[in-house]
Amino acid sequence: DVKVTQSSRYLVKRTGEKVFLECVQDMDHENMFWYRQDPGLGLRLIYFSYDVKMKEKGDIPEGYSVSREKKERFSLILESASTNQTSMYLCASMGRGAGTEAFFGQGTRLTVV
Amino acid sequence: GEDVEQSLFLSVREGDSSVINCTYTDSSSTYLYWYKQEPGAGLQLLTYIFSNMDMKQDQRLTVLLNKKDKHLSLRIADTQTGDSAIYFCAEGTTSGTYKYIFGTGTRLKVLA
Repeated sequence: DVKVTQSSRYLVKRTGEKVFLECVQDMDHENMFWYRQDPGLGLRLIYFSYDVKMKEKGDIPEGYSVSREKKERFSLILESASTNQTSMYLCASMGRGAGTEAFFGQGTRLTVV
Repeated sequence: GEDVEQSLFLSVREGDSSVINCTYTDSSSTYLYWYKQEPGAGLQLLTYIFSNMDMKQDQRLTVLLNKKDKHLSLRIADTQTGDSAIYFCAEGTTSGTYKYIFGTGTRLKVLA
């Protein structure tokens, strides 16, 4: 049973805190993604990684950074959390090549107060 | 740039057919996808269609693709209350590294 696991379902953090969201996949996938999901805006791509130590900016990278030190783990970092980063964060992984399925984690609902 | 658009809400009665529509902009997309998100969960792949196909049927699901108009639809026959969810259309784009561009999602509510 393929799996993408996000470390937390719910998080509450204070403005200005450094926040780490962790994602682990067990499918040996090359590609991993971080999205945020907001009502009426769908899923917006924050960052993605197509290999260990490689990363590319998505559509809304401002205020975020990522780390991929191992193939199975992709971390999203909020250097200084702000209230406009309150959202649902979804991690996904995908094998190489066009047409392959993306597998999603269950999501982390982050609230910044 | 790339953009995928969907209507935000759809309400149908149990037993009726549901049709969820999507428009996309990247004509080079090779695959188009439908994902389903149930409450409190991540997204799961429902079905996909290759860009050289017009139609794909999978049990109660029918996907229609009009490549000329860049229009994709998902029809769910005999809609059940368990079909209530958010449905996302996505295009696979090869602009740079292969990745997905998702639509805004359509929240389907099935009335008993």
